[in-house]
Amino acid sequence: NAGVTQTPKFQVLKTGQSMTLQCAQDMNHEYMSWYRQDPGMGLRLIHYSVGAGITDQGEVPNGYNVSRSTTEDFPLRLLSAAPSQTSVYFCASSYSRPGGNQPQHFGDGTRLSIL
Amino acid sequence: DQQVKQNSPSLSVQEGRISILNCDYTNSMFDYFLWYKKYPAEGPTFLISISSIKDKNEDGRFTVFLNKSAKHLSLHIVPSQPGDSAVYFCAAGSYNNNDMRFGAGTRLTVKP
Repeated sequence: NAGVTQTPKFQVLKTGQSMTLQCAQDMNHEYMSWYRQDPGMGLRLIHYSVGAGITDQGEVPNGYNVSRSTTEDFPLRLLSAAPSQTSVYFCASSYSRPGGNQPQHFGDGTRLSIL
Repeated sequence: DQQVKQNSPSLSVQEGRISILNCDYTNSMFDYFLWYKKYPAEGPTFLISISSIKDKNEDGRFTVFLNKSAKHLSLHIVPSQPGDSAVYFCAAGSYNNNDMRFGAGTRLTVKP
């Protein structure tokens, strides 16, 4: 029972490099989200998807891109990495929208450092 | 704009005693509140939730209280166990949007 799987677990990038954080879920959830967690702050929503082919911006979308070609996968792309994007990234999925009463299932996170 | 605040970064309690974690919010439009628990190197996991139309929800050792007039909620853990040691996040959301707001978390340490 895998749930939400994120890869890689750790990554170090140089400023200006691009990369894709992978997220896959096997629960057939329609809703998927990406959050970042920074010290002293709560999880902040970057982008979310309400189903295959449909994505929208969250609270902090700048510098990130997403797509949702299948129900299972929701990759997050850093277009040109900046030190301000050093953070821990969490992917989540749920039956209903993130603002609703259905709890989200989170992956174990990707710790990303930008030098 | 932190709409959900957890003002205590850490809390330490003795095993068997009560743990009380607090959360304040500013947006009166929130419909639902959830608590998540997070262990190191793992993602948050859902613990308990409460609707804005209720003032209490209980699940085993965990009880969440909501005071809408004060825009305050709290999580009570009784009795506390060493395995409860984790970071607890308060989260709030609205049915008419897709944004869930999280507090910064409170690290609970339960001492044997």
